[in-house]
Amino acid sequence: GQNIDQPTEMTATEGAIVQINCTYQTSGFNGLFWYQQHAGEAPTFLSYNVLDGLEEKGRFSSFLSRSKGYSYLLLKELQMKDSASYLCAPEGNTGFQKLVFGTGTRLLVSP
Amino acid sequence: DVKVTQSSRYLVKRTGEKVFLECVQDMDHENMFWYRQDPGLGLRLIYFSYDVKMKEKGDIPEGYSVSREKKERFSLILESASTNQTSMYLCASSLAGTGYGYTFGSGTRLTIV
Repeated sequence: GQNIDQPTEMTATEGAIVQINCTYQTSGFNGLFWYQQHAGEAPTFLSYNVLDGLEEKGRFSSFLSRSKGYSYLLLKELQMKDSASYLCAPEGNTGFQKLVFGTGTRLLVSP
Repeated sequence: DVKVTQSSRYLVKRTGEKVFLECVQDMDHENMFWYRQDPGLGLRLIYFSYDVKMKEKGDIPEGYSVSREKKERFSLILESASTNQTSMYLCASSLAGTGYGYTFGSGTRLTIV
């Protein structure tokens, strides 16, 4: 079966750093995606991790530990526009590249 | 600019109607997916297709069917709409192979009254 766990909501202030954690249990695993979704909009791609370790991309970084079934998304120098939901999505290895999405973490950035 | 286009942004239909949601992608992607998104439940996979005329059930296929007659178009059909199918429906596409991720359409907010 599939089980993905993320915090429901987090709050932070502009300029701060926030870490959004995700733990997962999947029947097969290729890698893990993070998506950003603003209210009323479609999810958009942020990052993909296939190897253990930290991948940095500008203000956003993503970490993966395959052995622990754990990932986090790190957002630095927070801006108001970062207020959105962040979806953790492990990629299965059935051959059809299906993604299973967590319920998402709603991040509220205040001035 | 590559994209996935869903035919309607907002749709209101009556209970018992047959409802068609259309999705078209211009990226020559092999895979196409239909999800529904509900508060507290996240994105749940309804059906997906990995080739023309091929389809696979996702996690919640009951009450739905799909059609993929052409590579670029993937239709979701609600056979007899019910109020519990009121939701945001998201179409996505991807290349075959790992690590490509999805490109999503902007979604259709469907209300069944």
